[in-house]
Amino acid sequence: AQSVAQPEDQVNVAEGNPLTVKCTYSVSGNPYLFWYVQYPNRGLQFLLKYITGDNLVKGSYGFEAEFNKSQTSFHLKKPSALVSDSALYFCAVRDEGDMRFGAGTRLTVKP
Amino acid sequence: NAGVTQTPKFQVLKTGQSMTLQCAQDMNHEYMSWYRQDPGMGLRLIHYSVGAGITDQGEVPNGYNVSRSTTEDFPLRLLSAAPSQTSVYFCASSLSPMNEKLFFGSGTQLSVL
Repeated sequence: AQSVAQPEDQVNVAEGNPLTVKCTYSVSGNPYLFWYVQYPNRGLQFLLKYITGDNLVKGSYGFEAEFNKSQTSFHLKKPSALVSDSALYFCAVRDEGDMRFGAGTRLTVKP
Repeated sequence: NAGVTQTPKFQVLKTGQSMTLQCAQDMNHEYMSWYRQDPGMGLRLIHYSVGAGITDQGEVPNGYNVSRSTTEDFPLRLLSAAPSQTSVYFCASSLSPMNEKLFFGSGTQLSVL
């Protein structure tokens, strides 16, 4: 069965610095990978997805993610973090209906 | 366009009580699903449906029932609530079961005493 892992529970960055939230995946076929963000007391919101094509995927709010097949990774990145990016981030993989989520990474951006 | 609507937002139950969490979507989505979110465990899939009349189990189905009589509605039933079912529940839908993104409701916070 497919799965994703987020090795960091917490990531702290200073405003204006680049940020990376890590995700690795395990699938038997072609991966369909997603990133979602959750703000307090809200449902998850879609950021971006990788289905096929370019390894660098651009998404909402200036976020992008790099698909690396050899390292089975799909890290979320942003060149310059904002305080308003502070939230819970989830990596997910989808295969034949099921979407499976990682445990989440809490991103804190400090002024 | 309301998207995915969940009711209630909050609920407190006593052990052994039953209840139904409601979920409705107005986007004509084929796929609907229920997740529970617990600290440090991410979201775990309870049940899902790929169309009206079709349901299947996810990772953690025990203690929950679902039905899908219409495309729009996908209620989740707790048969006999237990403290282990204290969680935040999210309903989600997508246009198709394959590589489409999910749209989430705002969640139901359930406490079982």
